[in-house]
Amino acid sequence: EVQLVESGGGLVQPGGSLRLSCAASGFKFGSFWMSWVRQAPGKGLEWVANIKQDGSLEYYVDSVKGRFTISRDNAKNSLHLQMNSLRVEDTARYYCARDSYTGYGSLEYWGQGTLVTVSS
Amino acid sequence: QSVLTQPPSASGTPGQRVTVSCSGSSSNIGSNFVYWYQQLPGTAPKVLIYRNDQRPSGVPDRFSGSKSGTSASLAISGLRSEDEADYYCAAWDDSLDGRVFGGGTRLTVL
Repeated sequence: EVQLVESGGGLVQPGGSLRLSCAASGFKFGSFWMSWVRQAPGKGLEWVANIKQDGSLEYYVDSVKGRFTISRDNAKNSLHLQMNSLRVEDTARYYCARDSYTGYGSLEYWGQGTLVTVSS
Repeated sequence: QSVLTQPPSASGTPGQRVTVSCSGSSSNIGSNFVYWYQQLPGTAPKVLIYRNDQRPSGVPDRFSGSKSGTSASLAISGLRSEDEADYYCAAWDDSLDGRVFGGGTRLTVL
């Protein structure tokens, strides 16, 4: 059974940093692109970033470029999102999702998300 | 403002057929596959349709997807109360080099 479990969310002040993690199990982690998707309270889904199987290629939504970094550890079946210079508008539930073989396709499995609140 | 445009709401009565539209451009829907996600209240999203019109195993055939040019549609036939959820379209955007979602459509079963 595929499982994705996010952790690392919490309350942080504007300008602060947070590192999210996603523990993956039940599939060959290194065979898939992985994504982060966020959802602000009461709002829609926003794709944040994804990373290629070997970590050699990453894509980001414009609003987080230069502030967020996605990374992965295939030996530990884990995905991370380093979030720096956090803004109030980054407040959201952050979901880890198994992307496709190509990075352009289906987000077939999702975790339950971890809540990030940016507030003073 | 989302890159993909969906109506914010839709509704229907049990047994009816409803459609949800998704409008994009040549750099996203016009040149890439469309995906549809269902998000039930308080839960994570789930893929409903992939590659424009394909259903994952376990998704009822009441759900169908189509694409024409720079627009796509999700149709739900034989509407049931458990279909009440938020529905999102998504596609890769070649100009933005990223995945884009529609703003979501909240479906109410009256």
